[in-house]
Amino acid sequence: GESVGLHLPTLSVQEGDNSIINCAYSNSASDYFIWYKQESGKGPQFIIDIRSNMDKRQGQRVTVLLNKTVKHLSLQIAATQPGDSAVYFCAENMRTGFQKLVFGTGTRLLVSP
Amino acid sequence: SAVISQKPSRDICQRGTSLTIQCQVDSQVTMMFWYRQQPGQSLTLIATANQGSEATYESGFVIDKFPISRPNLTFSTLTVSNMSPEDSSIYLCSVESGGQGTLSSGNTIYFGEGSWLTVV
Repeated sequence: GESVGLHLPTLSVQEGDNSIINCAYSNSASDYFIWYKQESGKGPQFIIDIRSNMDKRQGQRVTVLLNKTVKHLSLQIAATQPGDSAVYFCAENMRTGFQKLVFGTGTRLLVSP
Repeated sequence: SAVISQKPSRDICQRGTSLTIQCQVDSQVTMMFWYRQQPGQSLTLIATANQGSEATYESGFVIDKFPISRPNLTFSTLTVSNMSPEDSSIYLCSVESGGQGTLSSGNTIYFGEGSWLTVV
């Protein structure tokens, strides 16, 4: 399939390592944040979300941290697997209560066996 | 989660022509959203498609270039008009899982697989 994000920042890790992908968001009033995974040739797949009244949320092998003071969002993937290789986007919702997602530039995660 | 189907999944289009992309959702939703993802870039919201009213366009996008239809609560179309190579992109449909378009507690936003257009 076609590649998405040919000139993206890239994080290369070994299988089994923990991965941390960072994102700086732009609007201090944003109330909702989502991490998406996009594999080659596919649409964005929801991974995990967090609302602005929280600073941490955990899912299966993934954790999202929100630091509103510095407008920073991170995605931690535990025990990274080759199937985690993809482009990861953070998105912030800029319009309280209604959808207006603004996406970050994306990070390519490469997992080596 | 909502199941979102888009057609076509891919197409190669001639400069100057128009192409209509369809988006079908497996449940009724008040609002549907269209995004564009240009090669090597992130996603940008084009417009919000409201059932029973005209679409709401974001800055930089106009109805003449991207007309949208929303005939019912499960379907929408986006037309890319008078295409040029700069319109080569992935066009994505999305819905809010609660169906109302409002991000109330417990709802999130899902995307279709996209329509990959190449204009030659």
